[in-house]
Amino acid sequence: EAEVAQSPRYKITEKSQAVAFWCDPISGHATLYWYRQILGQGPELLVQFQDESVVDDSQLPKDRFSAERLKGVDSTLKIQPAELGDSAMYLCASSAQGGYTGELFFGEGSRLTVL
Amino acid sequence: QKEVEQNSGPLSVPEGAIASLNCTYSDRGSQSFFWYRQYSGKSPELIMFIYSNGDKEDGRFTAQLNKASQYVSLLIRDSQPSDSATYLCAGTYTGNQFYFGTGTSLTVIP
Repeated sequence: EAEVAQSPRYKITEKSQAVAFWCDPISGHATLYWYRQILGQGPELLVQFQDESVVDDSQLPKDRFSAERLKGVDSTLKIQPAELGDSAMYLCASSAQGGYTGELFFGEGSRLTVL
Repeated sequence: QKEVEQNSGPLSVPEGAIASLNCTYSDRGSQSFFWYRQYSGKSPELIMFIYSNGDKEDGRFTAQLNKASQYVSLLIRDSQPSDSATYLCAGTYTGNQFYFGTGTSLTVIP
């Protein structure tokens, strides 16, 4: 069964350090999303890619966060420097393009703890 | 501003009862609505979606959409302890944009 792959599953870091998360979407899925989910809240969209292009990064804190999807396949989300408030689950998801029934498929997530 | 609002709960129901989860949305341009279940520490998993007015049934789950009232609901019949989770309502907009509510925590009491 096709899955969205994410790594690492867990990351503990100290504030001011750099952190990177990787995501490999389901093969053939053109749209890739990075969400941040703080405990007790719903997922918040950080960035959406269509192939290698950014569709929406309006909620991405660009002073410290960056995201890329260079070849339109896998993607990396980076935080530099990490802050205490960045502790959250970072979820990657992908979907096939278009339609009323497009479903989001989520990876298992990367749990970040900033000390 | 595209928003989905949910009552955060917690909602508690006895085993075998019907659980009713509700969601309202602000943007009439929203196209489809999805219900995801999320167990603690896990990623969301899709339960069902709906895009036409009315009811849609899938096993013990029924989704309801009322576009005039901008209201979406999920009914879970014969609730089981394994249904205890957080339920996320999500709407979609043009360009495959998904936006989520804060989720409703459901506990099914044996």
